[in-house]
Amino acid sequence: SQTIHQWPATLVQPVGSPLSLECTVEGTSNPNLYWYRQAAGRGLQLLFYSVGIGQISSEVPQNLSASRPQDRQFILSSKKLLLSDSGFYLCAWSIGRRSGNTIYFGEGSWLTVV
Amino acid sequence: TQLLEQSPQFLSIQEGENLTVYCNSSSVFSSLQWYRQEPGEGPVLLVTVVTGGEVKKLKRLTFQFGDARKDSSLHITAAQPGDTGLYLCAGVGSGGGADGLTFGKGTHLIIQP
Repeated sequence: SQTIHQWPATLVQPVGSPLSLECTVEGTSNPNLYWYRQAAGRGLQLLFYSVGIGQISSEVPQNLSASRPQDRQFILSSKKLLLSDSGFYLCAWSIGRRSGNTIYFGEGSWLTVV
Repeated sequence: TQLLEQSPQFLSIQEGENLTVYCNSSSVFSSLQWYRQEPGEGPVLLVTVVTGGEVKKLKRLTFQFGDARKDSSLHITAAQPGDTGLYLCAGVGSGGGADGLTFGKGTHLIIQP
């Protein structure tokens, strides 16, 4: 069966510090991978998606970046965090490229920028 | 841009009561998905409705897709504390992002024992 894990689960970072959130998927090959941010009152916002190694597309311009160094690894990064980067970050995956395929979410990572 | 409006935004009821939450749009979607998210966890897919007018039941949960495929509802019968969570609808349509989905902001549901 397929599993998805992301870490760390929670972190508190000062403004201007770097960020690295990691996500791995097991039990499937060549998944589509996604990073979402969920902020209070704003719903789920798609930040990045990837259809293959090294292929990253950004949905929302910001000071975050994403990388996919391996088929089932997706990393969300920032060089300098802003207060507005606080939120609940979700990694997710889906099979295939057909629009509307089921999205499977990770457990989420709470980021508080202070 | 396709938008999905969910209502109510917050709902708190007693155990055993019935409730309905709504997901509305002015846009047509090819299908619609409902997710439930518990605090501190990622959303989990409950159901996908595809055909206009379709009704799907999942134990005490009944999902309906509007005839025009612009709206959907979730009805819970005899709510239980375990139903507590954030219910998200997501529409699949041409205006969706790379994931093909447009998410609503969710309905926060609290079932009090």
